[in-house]
Amino acid sequence: NAGVTQTPKFRVLKTGQSMTLLCAQDMNHEYMYWYRQDPGMGLRLIHYSVGEGTTAKGEVPDGYNVSRLKKQNFLLGLESAAPSQTSVYFCASSSGGVGVNEQFFGPGTRLTVL
Amino acid sequence: LAKTTQPISMDSYEGQEVNITCSHNNIATNDYITWYQQFPSQGPRFIIQGYKTKVTNEVASLFIPADRKSSTLSLPRVSLSDTAVYYCLVVPNTGRRALTFGSGTRLQVQP
Repeated sequence: NAGVTQTPKFRVLKTGQSMTLLCAQDMNHEYMYWYRQDPGMGLRLIHYSVGEGTTAKGEVPDGYNVSRLKKQNFLLGLESAAPSQTSVYFCASSSGGVGVNEQFFGPGTRLTVL
Repeated sequence: LAKTTQPISMDSYEGQEVNITCSHNNIATNDYITWYQQFPSQGPRFIIQGYKTKVTNEVASLFIPADRKSSTLSLPRVSLSDTAVYYCLVVPNTGRRALTFGSGTRLQVQP
């Protein structure tokens, strides 16, 4: 089991460019999440999904879009990158069942916008 | 979402027990208390979760008093590899179950 994987690991963009971050999980989890983490800060929720074909906004959704066409994949898109989006992006997944709801995190994507 | 307050940093020595206390005065009835650990350049990792009283696993113990307004993560006999940031979170057991992270507690373990 690979768990949660993220592609790419690093990326440098120029202001105004677009890109897509890919998250994949092989645990058959229903719930998937995208977070961003700025230096010295905790993670903040961008968007999330509670099942295939569904997405919803988190706390900081502006400037990002997501899609969940397949249960195992959750894509995060930046349509027009801005320097304020320089951050480390983490994807996570969980079963969403009753009781313990452990979230499994990917290794992160370090994005720099110049 | 219930806000949590925890110390910004703590120092310890190898072999000692470390207790990190978190306050969550506005915790709701269906909220669980969850702790995550994060090493530099890695995603957070789940440590332990509880609702009330005491929970223990192979890594840590979690103590929750009856009023649930605070909790204490206990790490027995820490080693250098326990140096990390520890996050206390209050997570609803319904809905999106998303995690709301504060700044965490930076634990530094010295030899």
